[in-house]
Amino acid sequence: AQSVTQLDSQVPVFEEAPVELRCNYSSSVSVYLFWYVQYPNQGLQLLLKYLSGSTLVKGINGFEAEFNKSQTSFHLRKPSVHISDTAEYFCAVTLDGTSYGKLTFGQGTILTVHP
Amino acid sequence: DGGITQSPKYLFRKEGQNVTLSCEQNLNHDAMYWYRQDPGQGLRLIYYSQIVNDFQKGDIAEGYSVSREKKESFPLTVTSAQKNPTAFYLCASRGPREAGELFFGEGSRLTVL
Repeated sequence: AQSVTQLDSQVPVFEEAPVELRCNYSSSVSVYLFWYVQYPNQGLQLLLKYLSGSTLVKGINGFEAEFNKSQTSFHLRKPSVHISDTAEYFCAVTLDGTSYGKLTFGQGTILTVHP
Repeated sequence: DGGITQSPKYLFRKEGQNVTLSCEQNLNHDAMYWYRQDPGQGLRLIYYSQIVNDFQKGDIAEGYSVSREKKESFPLTVTSAQKNPTAFYLCASRGPREAGELFFGEGSRLTVL
């Protein structure tokens, strides 16, 4: 079975600073990887996904993530954050082609951007 | 606009009562899911359905029940057997070609008094 670990439960950062949210996964087979964002009392919205191909994936709102198979990581980065990026971010994994959308989620990282 | 509608957004219930959360989608998706969210625990899968009239238990199905009589609808009943029902519940759907990408509703927050 696969698992996901988000290494930081909370990340405070000042506006316009860079940020990295860390995600490691465990799986013995190939996986698809996702980052979702959740604003307070709302559902989740897809930021980006890695299925195959280039290991650097670009998503919405200026976010990007890099798939590192040897380190089983999929860290999320943004070079300059805004106040509006304050939200909770979830890393998720699913087995490629076999698990019918049964995502396994990490515990979440709360990003707080201060002025 | 296409999307997923969950209702009610907030719900209060007394201990011992069953409650049903509604989830409707107009995305023409076959697969639908119910997740439970608790602070610091991420999302955990309760039930999922890949097709009408069929559904499977997820990781934490005890104390919950579902039905899938229509493609558009996947209601979740939180029964009195669920020991700790206070949580945020999220419904999602997935199209056939999105390689696992889920589309989420806005969620329903259930509080047991």
